[in-house]
Amino acid sequence: EAQVTQNPRYLITVTGKKLTVTCSQNMNHEYMSWYRQDPGLGLRQIYYSMNVEVTDKGDVPEGYKVSRKEKRNFPLILESPSPNQTSLYFCASSLSFGWYEKLFFGSGTQLSVL
Amino acid sequence: DAKTTQPPSMDCAEGRAANLPCNHSTISGNEYVYWYRQIHSQGPQYIIHGLKNNETNEMASLIITEDRKSSTLILPHATLRDTAVYYCIVRVAAGSARQLTFGSGTQLTVLP
Repeated sequence: EAQVTQNPRYLITVTGKKLTVTCSQNMNHEYMSWYRQDPGLGLRQIYYSMNVEVTDKGDVPEGYKVSRKEKRNFPLILESPSPNQTSLYFCASSLSFGWYEKLFFGSGTQLSVL
Repeated sequence: DAKTTQPPSMDCAEGRAANLPCNHSTISGNEYVYWYRQIHSQGPQYIIHGLKNNETNEMASLIITEDRKSSTLILPHATLRDTAVYYCIVRVAAGSARQLTFGSGTQLTVLP
């Protein structure tokens, strides 16, 4: 089944403790992206990647890192999480960025930073 | 990307057609209209997209006005499972790697 898999689904952590949210897609998609969703603010893009080893900032990249060493994986790294990064996170992928792609989303990761 | 305006909420009776409007008066000639929906706290789901012709797929129909300044998403026979937030987005198809910008959307509630 074609899907985008995020883990974990729920995560509670403390300020400053490094964490990684994993994202994997099995559709051989070139494009992958991370969004965060906060009440009243919609989905905001954090980082995106057009292909292996090609990443760029979205609208709210501060406090986040990403890497794209393999085509299928696009982990989101919070080196020193803070309470304002408490949010619902979504990973998404699409075949490419140049045509009328559909974005496929993961099920989300609810992160709480205490 | 062009800005969109949607009503914050709408109700629809189960089995009836749900018509969700979207205004995008500043849309450019090469910008597509996309619709996604998000069922509570799940990942958004693609529904349909179009440029200037009306489009239909297994989920919905998209009607775009001739001047392209507005569009309507039609769910022909709404069910309770269609209760979700529906997002109307316009973007350029090619050349923009930033992908889609999601606004606040319309909360559609399908009533039994």
